[in-house]
Amino acid sequence: DTAVSQTPKYLVTQMGNDKSIKCEQNLGHDTMYWYKQDSKKFLKIMFSYNNKELIINETVPNRFSPKSPDKAHLNLHINSLELGDSAVYFCASSPHRDGGYTFGSGTRLTVV
Amino acid sequence: GDSVTQMEGPVTLSEEAFLTINCTYTATGYPSLFWYVQYPGEGLQLLLKATKADDKGSNKGFEATYRKETTSFHLEKGSVQVSDSAVYFCALPSGNTPLVFGKGTRLSVIA
Repeated sequence: DTAVSQTPKYLVTQMGNDKSIKCEQNLGHDTMYWYKQDSKKFLKIMFSYNNKELIINETVPNRFSPKSPDKAHLNLHINSLELGDSAVYFCASSPHRDGGYTFGSGTRLTVV
Repeated sequence: GDSVTQMEGPVTLSEEAFLTINCTYTATGYPSLFWYVQYPGEGLQLLLKATKADDKGSNKGFEATYRKETTSFHLEKGSVQVSDSAVYFCALPSGNTPLVFGKGTRLSVIA
């Protein structure tokens, strides 16, 4: 059983489209995150949810909208995709802030 | 805000060489410190952690000691293998925000 699973693994789409990435964790963790990793491997936090509530939104364009239907799921919807959105997006979860994070295997988004 | 600084890569070593990847941090208080590893095409995995000063985290032959005096958490391994080739990230939680990661250090080990 995969602890943190993301779908799809690869996503190629045209500029201007709207797309979603799904994330589910079966670890019973309270907190979930979305990180963006650029081509130089730099990881930047985008959002953090605790028990379905948004607690962190780090200067992300409002084209990005996270949704947490329950504490096991945190989906990422992106409107009007731009070339600069191309990156690998990682979902992660943790039992608490200082706990070790468990990461999904990533979604490689390519906008053409 | 709190931050970590890692040595620039890439680092290329021969098998069985000694590895050190430097990490220094700036933090208010004494947060837990982490090393994560990302193998090609995969997500990040927790490699080791230390929760207080002078703690040593260890896993898979890797070690790192939380040094308050030098604000460092350097990663070491006595004898690297080709399978250790990956990107290594130092990280710490920053106030109320999630983990802040260093820029990553790519390690390539050649046979």
